[in-house]
Amino acid sequence: AQSVSQHNHHVILSEAASLELGCNYSYGGTVNLFWYVQYPGQHLQLLLKYFSGDPLVKGIKGFEAEFIKSKFSFNLRKPSVQWSDTAEYFCAVTNDYKLSFGAGTTVTVRA
Amino acid sequence: EAEVAQSPRYKITEKSQAVAFWCDPISGHATLYWYRQILGQGPELLVQFQDESVVDDSQLPKDRFSAERLKGVDSTLKIQPAELGDSAMYLCASSFTRGGSYEQYFGPGTRLTVT
Repeated sequence: AQSVSQHNHHVILSEAASLELGCNYSYGGTVNLFWYVQYPGQHLQLLLKYFSGDPLVKGIKGFEAEFIKSKFSFNLRKPSVQWSDTAEYFCAVTNDYKLSFGAGTTVTVRA
Repeated sequence: EAEVAQSPRYKITEKSQAVAFWCDPISGHATLYWYRQILGQGPELLVQFQDESVVDDSQLPKDRFSAERLKGVDSTLKIQPAELGDSAMYLCASSFTRGGSYEQYFGPGTRLTVT
């Protein structure tokens, strides 16, 4: 069975700081990778996704993620965060039909 | 923009009682998913439908949980009897069809508290 590990449970940073959230998965076959975000009081929504091709993927709101196959990683980055980026972030992996989520990272951005 | 609808948004019930949740997926989406999210964890798939058929219920506690999607549109998830450990957020999601390349769209969830 595949598993997804997110390294940080809670990250606190100031506006304009850079953000990087780690994600590693255990499945060795072909995978599709996702980052979902849940803003306070809102439902889960897709931030970005990787299926194939360029391992550097750009998503909404200035986020990007890099797929490193040799490290089984799919880390999320944003060069300069805003207060509105305060949210919970989930990494997810699917090998075909089943989406497996990490435990999530709560990001708090202080103004 | 079309959304996945869920009701109720909040439910408080006593243990041993029955409880049901309803989900209406985005129109035209053949695949429907029910997830359970325990506080501090990521969503965990309970059951997956393709049209009206269950295609994955390997993580569904079948002694107390049931799910149906009779006409291949909306769906109901039932717990009977509820236990204290069932307290969680229950999320419904839908996608155009099965397959990892199809984005899943999530509803707002039903937060269940069992007392």
